[in-house]
Amino acid sequence: SQTIHQWPATLVQPVGSPLSLECTVEGTSNPNLYWYRQAAGRGLQLLFYSVGIGQISSEVPQNLSASRPQDRQFILSSKKLLLSDSGFYLCAWSGLAYNEQFFGPGTRLTVL
Amino acid sequence: AQSVTQLGSHVSVSEGALVLLRCNYSSSVPPYLFWYVQYPNQGLQLLLKYTSAATLVKGINGFEAEFKKSETSFHLTKPSAHMSDAAEYFCAVTGTPGAGSYQLTFGKGTKLSVIP
Repeated sequence: SQTIHQWPATLVQPVGSPLSLECTVEGTSNPNLYWYRQAAGRGLQLLFYSVGIGQISSEVPQNLSASRPQDRQFILSSKKLLLSDSGFYLCAWSGLAYNEQFFGPGTRLTVL
Repeated sequence: AQSVTQLGSHVSVSEGALVLLRCNYSSSVPPYLFWYVQYPNQGLQLLLKYTSAATLVKGINGFEAEFKKSETSFHLTKPSAHMSDAAEYFCAVTGTPGAGSYQLTFGKGTKLSVIP
């Protein structure tokens, strides 16, 4: 069966520091991968998606970037965090069937 | 293009009462529709999905939803609320495979509170 992992689970970082969040998927090949952010009271915001290694599409201009160095690995990064980057970050994957997405456990990021 | 509207950002029901969470969608192609549940500080879990088979879809934890094309609705129901149903619920829509869209468009969520 497929599983999706995210780490770390929680992170507290100062403004201006770098960020790296990692997501890995097991049990499937060539998944579509997604990064979402949930800010308080604002629902789910799609940040990036990827249909293959090295293929990244950005949905909104922001302080963040994403990379996909391996088929089942998706990384969210920032060179300098802003206060507004605080939130709950969710990684998800989908196959081709029905476009349903499967979500990881999330990372709670607090920028101080 | 697709969009989802969830009526009511907060819904409160008594334990044992009917749960009704509303979702209306718009889609330029035949839609696939989903309901997800999110417990505090956790990821989203798929409750049920409509993929153009039966219009009444049964999911986990006793939830079900009915696809009504004429009303462009996909409301989520459960006959009797349990305390463990307290969570946030998201409705989502996507186009059918081959329609050029593999992304989900989410509603803003409805937070369900269950009163003992």
